[in-house]
Amino acid sequence: EVQLLESGGGLVQPGGSLRLSCAASGFTFRSYAMSWVRQAPGKGLEWVSGFSGSGASTYYADSVKGRFTISRDTSKNTLYLQMNSLRAEDTALYYCAKGGYDNSGYYPYWGQGTLVTVSS
Amino acid sequence: DIVMTQSPDSLAVSLGERATITCKSSQSVLYSSNKKNYLAWYQQKPGQPPKLLIYWTSTRESGVPDRFSGSGSGTDFTLTISSLQAEDVAVYYCQQYYSAPHTFGQGTKLEIK
Repeated sequence: EVQLLESGGGLVQPGGSLRLSCAASGFTFRSYAMSWVRQAPGKGLEWVSGFSGSGASTYYADSVKGRFTISRDTSKNTLYLQMNSLRAEDTALYYCAKGGYDNSGYYPYWGQGTLVTVSS
Repeated sequence: DIVMTQSPDSLAVSLGERATITCKSSQSVLYSSNKKNYLAWYQQKPGQPPKLLIYWTSTRESGVPDRFSGSGSGTDFTLTISSLQAEDVAVYYCQQYYSAPHTFGQGTKLEIK
């Protein structure tokens, strides 16, 4: 059974940093595309960042480019999102999502999310 | 970036009636080499993560009732619920995965009339 468990969210001041983690199990982690998707309170879904299936490529939304870094540790089956220079508009529930069965960019599996609040 | 625009923003349909949500992409999401449209639909209920309903425009995810169907090609897509059930009340999102960033539509809130 595929499981994705996010952690690392919390309250941080504007300009601060936070690292999110997503512990994955139930599949061959190193072989699948993985992404972070966020949802601000009461708002829609926003794709944030992703790894290609091979792990060779990373991608970012313009809104986080240069501030966020996605990484993964295949020995720990864990996906990370390092978030720097945080802004109030980064406040959201951050989901980890696993790429599709054919390693395409649709997401059959999602975690429950971890909440990030950026406020002074 | 590809912009995804859904309509309407909200929709109220009577139980047993058809619900139709449209999604338009700012550029084609049809990959010419494999003739596939890189378009998915999700359902999200309050307090839950999104649930994949349909991928490759019209392939239903395992366990999704057959009252849900997807269609379209190029830049114009449709999600249809043939006979609305009470449990279908949710927000629905389209998503393109043709190119990164894999953008979502703004969502359509579906309610019972």
